[in-house]
Amino acid sequence: GENVEQHPSTLSVQEGDSAVIKCTYSDSASNYFPWYKQELGKGPQLIIDIRSNVGEKKDQRIAVTLNKTAKHFSLHITETQPEDSAVYFCAARPSGYSTLTFGKGTMLLVSP
Amino acid sequence: ETGVTQTPRHLVMGMTNKKSLKCEQHLGHNAMYWYKQSAKKPLELMFVYSLEERVENNSVPSRFSPECPNSSHLFLHLHTLQPEDSALYLCASSPGTTGANVLTFGAGSRLTVL
Repeated sequence: GENVEQHPSTLSVQEGDSAVIKCTYSDSASNYFPWYKQELGKGPQLIIDIRSNVGEKKDQRIAVTLNKTAKHFSLHITETQPEDSAVYFCAARPSGYSTLTFGKGTMLLVSP
Repeated sequence: ETGVTQTPRHLVMGMTNKKSLKCEQHLGHNAMYWYKQSAKKPLELMFVYSLEERVENNSVPSRFSPECPNSSHLFLHLHTLQPEDSALYLCASSPGTTGANVLTFGAGSRLTVL
């Protein structure tokens, strides 16, 4: 089955800095890679996703890049703000499967 | 009310108790899921229902028993749990179970087993 590794487990940045979270996956058949943000006391919420036929996707201050050859994908947050503080999860889904395999999560702390 | 609603938000139970977690979605989705979230572990998929039929059961102990009476409601019945079952239980829904279906999660039910 699919295995997703996520790094780092914690990340502390100053407001205005950039943050990068990296994930690797094992199943070359995976073709869908979402990122979820979980704020304290809430469930995870999708913030951005990318499909395997695209190398990069941006949405305002967040972007995701995908390297299919190396089987890794990354979340980039620019101009971080305190409200970006949360736990971020990456996930991967092999083609034809209905369910996601999640990474262990990264706790991002943005200090004012 | 919109989105995915879970009740109760917090539950404390003894190992001999029987309790249930409830999930309701108001999104018109056809698939519903139970996930277990433990500290420093990936989200663990427990059960998947599509149009009220269970389509996936990831080797979950029988002390967890799911029920999906219709596509809007999902229950997780709990009995004779162990302390290691203490975790956040998340319910999610999606339009279907194929393709890049986006999961919408509830806020979770925090379970503590004494």
